[in-house]
Amino acid sequence: GIQVEQSPPDLILQEGANSTLRCNFSDSVNNLQWFHQNPWGQLINLFYIPSGTKQNGRLSATTVATERYSLLYISSSQTTDSGVYFCAVAIFRDMRFGAGTRLTVKP
Amino acid sequence: DTGVSQDPRHKITKRGQNVTFRCDPISEHNRLYWYRQTLGQGPEFLTYFQNEAQLEKSRLLSDRFSAERPKGSFSTLEIQRTEQGDSAMYLCASSPRRPGISDTQYFGPGTRLTVL
Repeated sequence: GIQVEQSPPDLILQEGANSTLRCNFSDSVNNLQWFHQNPWGQLINLFYIPSGTKQNGRLSATTVATERYSLLYISSSQTTDSGVYFCAVAIFRDMRFGAGTRLTVKP
Repeated sequence: DTGVSQDPRHKITKRGQNVTFRCDPISEHNRLYWYRQTLGQGPEFLTYFQNEAQLEKSRLLSDRFSAERPKGSFSTLEIQRTEQGDSAMYLCASSPRRPGISDTQYFGPGTRLTVL
């Protein structure tokens, strides 16, 4: 099956700092999503981005499908950005999640 | 759009008991998915429905697990003879009817199962 690797596993930032999270995957995919899991366990959609670049406020994402990686950029981080960020990919319907990047933003 | 809802949010049961969880997808979504997430891990795919048809099942879905979506709307996930290893967060997701084979999945808040 598809392998999904996320890095770094843990990231601690000071409020206001910028960060880049990476997702590498082992096969061509038709679906790639980034999620933020908040402290209550809710998975929140950030981006549906099997290829290309998207931006939403302080967040942006880029997927280079031919090189099998995706990047999530967080600018001017806030304490509410804390949580676990997951990358998930799929060829068909069954999405494979990475192990996540746990982000802690300190005030 | 009221989002995906799941019930109950928490369930504590004794080993050997049966449990059933319910998922109500976003109303216009015809695709529904179940995932399981254990502590410190990403969610793992269990099964997928398109309307009432169960089209994919993971090998993680042992014969103690059964999922249904009888009218193509809400879905239930039943676990028989629960084991302590079944303790996890069970997540439901839905996605809309669109052409093509892949699409955005929206997740519910999950049901946290604890087996004592």
